[in-house]
Amino acid sequence: GQNIDQPTEMTATEGAIVQINCTYQTSGFNGLFWYQQHAGEAPTFLSYNVLDGLEEKGRFSSFLSRSKGYSYLLLKELQMKDSASYLCAVRGDNTDKLIFGTGTRLQVFP
Amino acid sequence: KAGVTQTPRYLIKTRGQQVTLSCSPISGHRSVSWYQQTPGQGLQFLFEYFSETQRNKGNFPGRFSGRQFSNSRSEMNVSTLELGDSALYLCASSRTSRQGGLYEQYFGPGTRLTVT
Repeated sequence: GQNIDQPTEMTATEGAIVQINCTYQTSGFNGLFWYQQHAGEAPTFLSYNVLDGLEEKGRFSSFLSRSKGYSYLLLKELQMKDSASYLCAVRGDNTDKLIFGTGTRLQVFP
Repeated sequence: KAGVTQTPRYLIKTRGQQVTLSCSPISGHRSVSWYQQTPGQGLQFLFEYFSETQRNKGNFPGRFSGRQFSNSRSEMNVSTLELGDSALYLCASSRTSRQGGLYEQYFGPGTRLTVT
């Protein structure tokens, strides 16, 4: 079967660092994506990983270990506007079909 | 460059009716995917179209169907609506080609469907 797990909710303080974990079990693997979704808005693309290792993009970094079926999204220097849901999604084949986790709702407090 | 557009943005229907939702991808994008988002289930893949052909399909009943036109615009149709079909329907487009390639998907604002 296909299964993607993320924590349901996390809280953090402005200026801090937070790590959102994602574990997956899928029948195929051709990339892992992270999306951000603010309440009432569409998801927006943050990053993707195909190979093992860390991809850094400004305040956001994403890590992948294919052998462990594990990824994390690291958010540094948290800002209030980072309060949102973060969605982990796996692409299993050569098409655009993404299997999404249920998302992690992050609340940033001052 | 204009983003992905979806119409209508909000829709209220009654059980048993049918509905058609429309999606216009970003110019130059030939791949269009549809997702259903509900609070309990999260985002679930419905289907993906590329060059007017359905390339992939999720685990939804046959009441859910779609198509893509030669200009890459796509429509999805839900027949015999049920209360459980109430959801946000999101369309996404990407530069993915016939050979594949790894590109991010850009999502439209969604159509909020309420079935009463």
